[in-house]
Amino acid sequence: GQQLNQSPQSMFIQEGEDVSMNCTSSSIFNTWLWYKQDPGEGPVLLIALYKAGELTSNGRLTAQFGITRKDSFLNISASIPSDVGIYFCAGPISNFGNEKLTFGTGTRLTIIP
Amino acid sequence: NAGVTQTPKFQVLKTGQSMTLQCAQDMNHEYMSWYRQDPGMGLRLIHYSVGAGITDQGEVPNGYNVSRSTTEDFPLRLLSAAPSQTSVYFCASSYSGGSTDTQYFGPGTRLTVL
Repeated sequence: GQQLNQSPQSMFIQEGEDVSMNCTSSSIFNTWLWYKQDPGEGPVLLIALYKAGELTSNGRLTAQFGITRKDSFLNISASIPSDVGIYFCAGPISNFGNEKLTFGTGTRLTIIP
Repeated sequence: NAGVTQTPKFQVLKTGQSMTLQCAQDMNHEYMSWYRQDPGMGLRLIHYSVGAGITDQGEVPNGYNVSRSTTEDFPLRLLSAAPSQTSVYFCASSYSGGSTDTQYFGPGTRLTVL
């Protein structure tokens, strides 16, 4: 079943505000991935994290791999209208050498005009 | 490269009908997978394949069949559609399926079962 919990489930912010969201798991992950899904599209990879404590940026986005390896955080600074969408965390689960990706439930970001 | 393509984009079925959702990729990726997305549930893995001729079940495989006869194509079959299969279906591919590989998603198929 679902192993990744994201919060908040939804956010309503004004343009220019900073955004913070997180993802937690009861299991340890060796990789954390953050995806964004634009309305009507498939998810696109934003940031990948491979080491506990790692902090990685991609433009206005910054993600961190929690030191317990059971959580990860995504921050968006100075939000703009194109940031609207659903943000998913994801992590691989090994199955006899094959890796399956499990996704969180998503955080839906809406920007209020 | 077209990336990952899915057809159809929209489909309406009646309960009990069968259909095949098509997925193709032109990136020579070995790993392909199918997900369904339901409100509040995120994406859940249905089936995946690590190469031609090899498939395995994901988290929610019941009611779905897959086959992988070529590297490029990974169709998903609904043998007898049920209303519970109303969802948005995404196909994805990556080079080898490893945790360091980027998964590329198709645009999705929106399926409604009446």
